[in-house]
Amino acid sequence: DTGVSQDPRHKITKRGQNVTFRCDPISEHNRLYWYRQTLGQGPEFLTYFQNEAQLEKSRLLSDRFSAERPKGSFSTLEIQRTEQGDSAMYLCASSPTGAHSNQPQHFGDGTRLSIL
Amino acid sequence: AQTVTQSQPEMSVQEAETVTLSCTYDTSESDYYLFWYKQPPSRQMILVIRQEAYKQQNATENRFSVNFQKAAKSFSLKISDSQLGDAAMYFCAYRSARNTDKLIFGTGTRLQVFP
Repeated sequence: DTGVSQDPRHKITKRGQNVTFRCDPISEHNRLYWYRQTLGQGPEFLTYFQNEAQLEKSRLLSDRFSAERPKGSFSTLEIQRTEQGDSAMYLCASSPTGAHSNQPQHFGDGTRLSIL
Repeated sequence: AQTVTQSQPEMSVQEAETVTLSCTYDTSESDYYLFWYKQPPSRQMILVIRQEAYKQQNATENRFSVNFQKAAKSFSLKISDSQLGDAAMYFCAYRSARNTDKLIFGTGTRLQVFP
């Protein structure tokens, strides 16, 4: 169990650029989650997958955001035409099963995005 | 919609003493799960303790225990024999037992531990 891995750890980019983050969940976990955390706040849910199916998206996930999990293993989160307000920590989590279960979500270290 | 409120932005405790962090939540559901997560500075969030709403018995994990009051919608965390390594942000989180797997977090409590 190597834990949830996120790449990169930090990303600095200019406003208007596109960015992509990657998350590798714990290998046997079939559920994968994305959250966004701004300074001084708790994480806010963005979206989650079961295997390759995207089961729920928050209305926080505007048209500029897209998440994929094409083979049911790693996931990518892309932000197009970044804005200042996108600056945040993007957290990925995974869990072995979700439906009607108390299985906790295991979090990665996060990707910190800074928009210049 | 469900909400989670942590009314204590910061708390402090002396090493070896006991501290209680407060959390209240709002929901119309009867079946759900509650969690406390710890986030040390610049480190990943880790689970401290969890509680199923259908269980009346309060969860305990070593020095960590909860006081779950379902009718009052209160879920406080007690840390006994505090250690320097307990210093971190603590987040209370709610998860429905049906329809969705997402966690709803409070705004967190920063715990400082003094030697």
